Amino acid sequence: DARVTQTPRHKVTEMGQEVTMRCQPILGHNTVFWYRQTMMQGLELLAYFRNRAPLDDSGMPKDRFSAEMPDATLATLKIQPSEPRDSAVYFCASGPGQGHYNEQFFGPGTRLTVL
Amino acid sequence: RKEVEQDPGPFNVPEGATVAFNCTYSNSASQSFFWYRQDCRKEPKLLMSVYSSGNEDGRFTAQLNRASQYISLLIRDSKLSDSATYLCVVNRNGGATNKLIFGTGTLLAVQP
Repeated sequence: DARVTQTPRHKVTEMGQEVTMRCQPILGHNTVFWYRQTMMQGLELLAYFRNRAPLDDSGMPKDRFSAEMPDATLATLKIQPSEPRDSAVYFCASGPGQGHYNEQFFGPGTRLTVL
Repeated sequence: RKEVEQDPGPFNVPEGATVAFNCTYSNSASQSFFWYRQDCRKEPKLLMSVYSSGNEDGRFTAQLNRASQYISLLIRDSKLSDSATYLCVVNRNGGATNKLIFGTGTLLAVQP
């Protein structure tokens, strides 16, 4: 049963520290997404990759956030320096392509708390 | 105004009830539509896609009204296991970019 995996599942850190979140998309999926979910804003798209190339990161604060795909099996989201307002659940999702109705499969998320 | 708007609820209904959720979207160029389900402290999962002609999957029926930019989800004979948050989702740019915009969700609590 193919699944998106994310590590770590939980992260507590202090303001100013670097945070790195990792995601392994489903093998064969060529689109990868990073989302952030908070109670107030809901799910927000941060970054979107197709075939490892970044297509859209307009939802991501550029001064502190960066997203990369070093290879087809790994996507990373980094926050440096972290701030308390970054506390949220960060989801990675992958999909099989760009069709109108292609499903996105979500990982279990990384629950981040910045003190 | 958010691009995808939903009533946050909660909807508290007894088992066996029929419940309907509504959603509106603001971008008339949106081309594909979905309902995702999210259980407490879990990831969102696709419940069903929403097609122009309307579609049904067991106890679930989804409808789309493009003229009014309105999407609905009907759940018949609700079960305890239907308790979750239901997310209305719109593909903003159609198939070219597959960029999904999520509503903030409607919470359903089915009571025994």
